[in-house]
Amino acid sequence: AQTVTQSQPEMSVQEAETVTLSCTYDTSESNYYLFWYKQPPSRQMILVIRQEAYKQQNATENRFSVNFQKAAKSFSLKISDSQLGDTAMYFCASLTGTASKLTFGTGTRLQVTL
Amino acid sequence: DSGVTQTPKHLITATGQRVTLRCSPRSGDLSVYWYQQSLDQGLQFLIQYYNGEERAKGNILERFSAQQFPDLHSELNLSSLELGDSALYFCASSVAAGRYETQYFGPGTRLLVL
Repeated sequence: AQTVTQSQPEMSVQEAETVTLSCTYDTSESNYYLFWYKQPPSRQMILVIRQEAYKQQNATENRFSVNFQKAAKSFSLKISDSQLGDTAMYFCASLTGTASKLTFGTGTRLQVTL
Repeated sequence: DSGVTQTPKHLITATGQRVTLRCSPRSGDLSVYWYQQSLDQGLQFLIQYYNGEERAKGNILERFSAQQFPDLHSELNLSSLELGDSALYFCASSVAAGRYETQYFGPGTRLLVL
């Protein structure tokens, strides 16, 4: 069974600062994908970034980047130059070859303050 | 906007009733997934359809059923509703049914069972 753990229920960051959200996962699969989804107050689930496990290079999307440590099964999200619009719940998720389903962590609530 | 549409946005009903949630995938996507987000269970995969056929099943109750029609829209039917079925129900879609397809989420249907 796949598990995804997010150990930080809540975090706060000031506008323009950098914040890192943590995620660890467990899988016996050799290949898998990892995702970060953002859920703002509107409750929409928005894809932030994707990382293929076979790629050594960390994924980057504008202000969002990941630190993927395959041996440690760690997948953290770094948000640079935080903006008020980044305030949301962030979910880490894994997708493995044995099933098409996404397995989600419990989420980290991020508050960006002035 | 992900391109996935869901109707209705909100649904209020009583215990014992039956409701139908509708989802239209992104243009060109053949695969549809249903997820349930509740306070106590988090985000859980329910079921996947690909081009009209059931592909994978998750923690879906026997009281729940789904189908995907020839025009690729999908419906999730929830019957004999209980208070605990109150949740946000998401539909997601992907291009194919491969193991590593990125899933794009709709805005969700918020169901309240009274």
